[in-house]
Amino acid sequence: ETGVTQTPRHLVMGMTNKKSLKCEQHLGHNAMYWYKQSAKKPLELMFVYSLEERVENNSVPSRFSPECPNSSHLFLHLHTLQPEDSALYLCASSQDTLSSIPYEQYFGPGTRLTVT
Amino acid sequence: TQLLEQSPQFLSIQEGENLTVYCNSSSVFSSLQWYRQEPGEGPVLLVTVVTGGEVKKLKRLTFQFGDARKDSSLHITAAQPGDTGLYLCAGKAERGIYGGSQGNLIFGKGTKLSVKP
Repeated sequence: ETGVTQTPRHLVMGMTNKKSLKCEQHLGHNAMYWYKQSAKKPLELMFVYSLEERVENNSVPSRFSPECPNSSHLFLHLHTLQPEDSALYLCASSQDTLSSIPYEQYFGPGTRLTVT
Repeated sequence: TQLLEQSPQFLSIQEGENLTVYCNSSSVFSSLQWYRQEPGEGPVLLVTVVTGGEVKKLKRLTFQFGDARKDSSLHITAAQPGDTGLYLCAGKAERGIYGGSQGNLIFGKGTKLSVKP
């Protein structure tokens, strides 16, 4: 399999549930990202990992917990979410983060999350 | 705070028409990217522009970076139904969101284009 894959593609969860989103990249990249895409809002960067270390945490509530066990895998653990957290969660990867010109980011297809 | 404003928000046209969408900011960006996102998929990079006044062409798509590097435009000639999608511009932030050394991407809200046969 090539590119960036995300599972599950769709997820419905209650506010008391705990679930995890998974992202895998087969591109040999060093950087991975979590974004949130809501209707009527720009793509919001949530977390950035470079070589498995978190380098950005964009003031995300603690009910979202990222995990990067190696440079190919990225998880987003979810617990006690709110209905306003319903959105498309996109994972992306790039060759690296440090550059005067941004590296191309390769996005996965996203997980459509609905919190009831 | 660096922001990117895209216009129009929605655009519905007939096949064969030309169109231009815009990406504007009051801030200077060192570079700017355009992505296209189709329903059910993640965004896919179309182009990166880095020099003020730069023009890049990709088949029927023409991208321009403003002289002052604060704005960009995307012009599509003879639009086709396959051009339908959400067009996003993204600028490289001067520094990380919280002042870190990484320059992450700031996205506009996008222009949703529908091209009807």
